[in-house]
Amino acid sequence: EDQVTQSPEALRLQEGESSSLNCSYTVSGLRGLFWYRQDPGKGPEFLFTLYSAGEEKEKERLKATLTKKESFLHITAPKPEDSATYLCAVTDSWGKFQFGAGTQVVVTP
Amino acid sequence: GAGVSQSPSNKVTEKGKDVELRCDPISGHTALYWYRQSLGQGLEFLIYFQGNSAPDKSGLPSDRFSAERTGGSVSTLTIQRTQQEDSAVYLCASSLNRGWDTQYFGPGTRLTVL
Repeated sequence: EDQVTQSPEALRLQEGESSSLNCSYTVSGLRGLFWYRQDPGKGPEFLFTLYSAGEEKEKERLKATLTKKESFLHITAPKPEDSATYLCAVTDSWGKFQFGAGTQVVVTP
Repeated sequence: GAGVSQSPSNKVTEKGKDVELRCDPISGHTALYWYRQSLGQGLEFLIYFQGNSAPDKSGLPSDRFSAERTGGSVSTLTIQRTQQEDSAVYLCASSLNRGWDTQYFGPGTRLTVL
């Protein structure tokens, strides 16, 4: 059975303090790994899709990387508006999505 | 273009009553998903529709839950005889096709069962 584990569960950062979130996965035939951002009271907002090990994608202060066992979401010089819960999901060869429990990030001024 | 929309945004009901939640997917998206998110929890898959194929109902927690999708577009999730443990945010997502395509989410419906 596919499994997705995100760590840490929560992360508190000072503005400008870079850090990384981890998403480790066990999946039969990875077809895609997705990162979403979720603000309180809202639906998840799509950030990135990664398809193969070694792939990297960037958007503003966020950079996602992928290996054969895990993905990292790097937050460089975060700002308070980067505070959110970040969700990771994988899809397997059957096309079934599996989401992790998320990492709650709080960035203080 | 318009994103995924859901209605109502909030629903408060009494235990034992039936509720209907609505989802309008992105135009042209053939795949539609329903998820449930309890407070502080991850997303729990409920059901998915792909085109005219039979829906994948493997995530529905009980036979009180059902969903339909009319005309390959709008979907309704129905919960009969609601229980307090049904209280959660119900999220709908759509994608161009099933499988490896990115899912785009609606804002969710917050259901509270008293």
